[in-house]
Amino acid sequence: DGGITQSPKYLFRKEGQNVTLSCEQNLNHDAMYWYRQDPGQGLRLIYYSQIVNDFQKGDIAEGYSVSREKKESFPLTVTSAQKNPTAFYLCASSIDRYGRANEQFFGPGTRLTVL
Amino acid sequence: GESVGLHLPTLSVQEGDNSIINCAYSNSASDYFIWYKQESGKGPQFIIDIRSNMDKRQGQRVTVLLNKTVKHLSLQIAATQPGDSAVYFCAENLNSGGYQKVTFGTGTKLQVIP
Repeated sequence: DGGITQSPKYLFRKEGQNVTLSCEQNLNHDAMYWYRQDPGQGLRLIYYSQIVNDFQKGDIAEGYSVSREKKESFPLTVTSAQKNPTAFYLCASSIDRYGRANEQFFGPGTRLTVL
Repeated sequence: GESVGLHLPTLSVQEGDNSIINCAYSNSASDYFIWYKQESGKGPQFIIDIRSNMDKRQGQRVTVLLNKTVKHLSLQIAATQPGDSAVYFCAENLNSGGYQKVTFGTGTKLQVIP
């Protein structure tokens, strides 16, 4: 089955620790995205990548870092510099890099709780 | 800044009735619009999309209408079912220097009353 997976589903972290969220897709999509969702709110873009070895900051990149070493993988690290990291994190991918836009396919999400 | 917003945060409808969820967008240059459905604790799922050269598109039980004159987007769900209960997001896409910039609205919660 083609799809986008995120792991783990639930993650607990102590304050001051870095943590990495996994995102993998086997859809052969060029573009990948990370969003943060807080209760009762919409999605806010953290980082996106249009191609391997390239990524751009979104609207709320402070305290986060990413890498895109492989087309299939786009891990997100939540660093200790992120002041309010408790949230639901969503990864997405889409088929095109330039030109005609298409819908984004979302993973199931990772709920991060900082203790 | 540019924004995508929704008129109603919560919508309650009787099972079997039609539902209409509205969305206002700000950027007249946006060229592609998508509706997503998100169930509790899950990622958003694509429902239907429409490009700016169209004003209506129909799917299975769903219809999206685009009014570019007033920058308004709506999602119509026919014969609403309990399984339709979820939060619905609209999103607008802007082609910005070759990059596709997507902005999501805050969402409308649809509650279906049995």
